[in-house]
Amino acid sequence: QQQVKQSPQSLIVQKGGISIINCAYENTAFDYFPWYQQFPGKGPALLIAIRPDVSEKKEGRFTISFNKSAKQFSLHIMDSQPGDSATYFCAASYLLWNFNKFYFGSGTKLNVKP
Amino acid sequence: EAQVTQNPRYLITVTGKKLTVTCSQNMNHEYMSWYRQDPGLGLRQIYYSMNVEVTDKGDVPEGYKVSRKEKRNFPLILESPSPNQTSLYFCASSFKDRGIPYSTDTQYFGPGTRLTVL
Repeated sequence: QQQVKQSPQSLIVQKGGISIINCAYENTAFDYFPWYQQFPGKGPALLIAIRPDVSEKKEGRFTISFNKSAKQFSLHIMDSQPGDSATYFCAASYLLWNFNKFYFGSGTKLNVKP
Repeated sequence: EAQVTQNPRYLITVTGKKLTVTCSQNMNHEYMSWYRQDPGLGLRQIYYSMNVEVTDKGDVPEGYKVSRKEKRNFPLILESPSPNQTSLYFCASSFKDRGIPYSTDTQYFGPGTRLTVL
């Protein structure tokens, strides 16, 4: 049973468009929600993260929207570029004996067409 | 350069032949983890370590072993690999700021090891 549910599985967006990836969770103990970006042949790398005490965080063209009551969060990529083509994973974590226990979504493969 | 390295990057083996995937980090991180990545399932934690000689099971530990004898190294051992362990494996390391009372952690991932068990 996946602790973090991610959709869609794949996404095709035209250059300059907005890419939106959604995630949902049930465990209210989660208190940190990062997004990771993975290029083919590479390991995932942290893209942007949010804590549940804010509803939105923006870094450049990347924005996380967070809805605590609905237990949902999403990644928005504005002005999507072909270089953004990658697999994106949402994640959620909580402290377990001073160790951050992470759960990842199933991933979204984004293809930005020129 | 701060990094996590894994070896080998690619491995094809046969059922039952013991193998070890090495992982090393040069960032002096206390925490290290092993994940497997499978299509449609994302990343699932196999084992993690909070410090030297301190390890614990993650969510999918069956068929795997780990050890942490040195802070920088965290090898993953498959004593008797089976075809259902064919997967893409990632090692990750992280640092926890104990001054912060909530989870906030950047995991640094290695480049991955693609394992095929025939």
